[in-house]
Amino acid sequence: DIQMTQSPSTLSASVGDRVTITCRASQSISRWLAWYQQIPGKAPRLLIYEASTLKSGVPSRFSGSGSGTEFTLTISSLQPDDFATYYCQQYNSYWTFGRGTKVEIK
Amino acid sequence: QVQLVQSGAEVQKPGASVKVSCKAAGYTFTSYGVSWVRQAPGQGLEWMGWISAYDGTTKFAQKFQGRVSLTTDTSTSTAHLEVRSLTSDDTAVYYCARSVAALAPPDYWGQGTLVTVSS
Repeated sequence: DIQMTQSPSTLSASVGDRVTITCRASQSISRWLAWYQQIPGKAPRLLIYEASTLKSGVPSRFSGSGSGTEFTLTISSLQPDDFATYYCQQYNSYWTFGRGTKVEIK
Repeated sequence: QVQLVQSGAEVQKPGASVKVSCKAAGYTFTSYGVSWVRQAPGQGLEWMGWISAYDGTTKFAQKFQGRVSLTTDTSTSTAHLEVRSLTSDDTAVYYCARSVAALAPPDYWGQGTLVTVSS
């Protein structure tokens, strides 16, 4: 099974900050990586797929990059609605999710 | 608009089975598949399996093979998840999610169904 390692597990930031979350795959997954946002009590929301393609309707302050085994999610200017938990997911070989990164208010 | 509406919360005893439903609306049901993902309290996301609504083809995470069944009813645009031989470790929120293929990320999710396993 492909393992996904996310870091950090928790991130404290302020509104307006630039935030970067990293996801590492245990083997190459090409660009078959997605990022999700989850607010407590709600279902995950797809933000980015194929490592860097923004889903329609997602604000452009979200961006993704990477290929192979190293990927990043960047929020260019953190907004109040962005305080949530973020998950990466590989879909090269079935699905595996990272353990999540909680973005909290500093 | 695309909607996936799941059945209500369940409480089951250890050793029992549970069936969760997911009714789709706003798109052609048979043009997509449905994945099931669960989330234990305070934990991350765990993929369980996927079913094609077109032909019933299924894929399962190895952990759930043999203990989980996935079915669809195209006449009602509903997908079903059945989990057998429940233990307390199965206490979780179960989500259905739409994806065009087994190896495609889901673009719409149901609201989740809490299954509690307790004696």
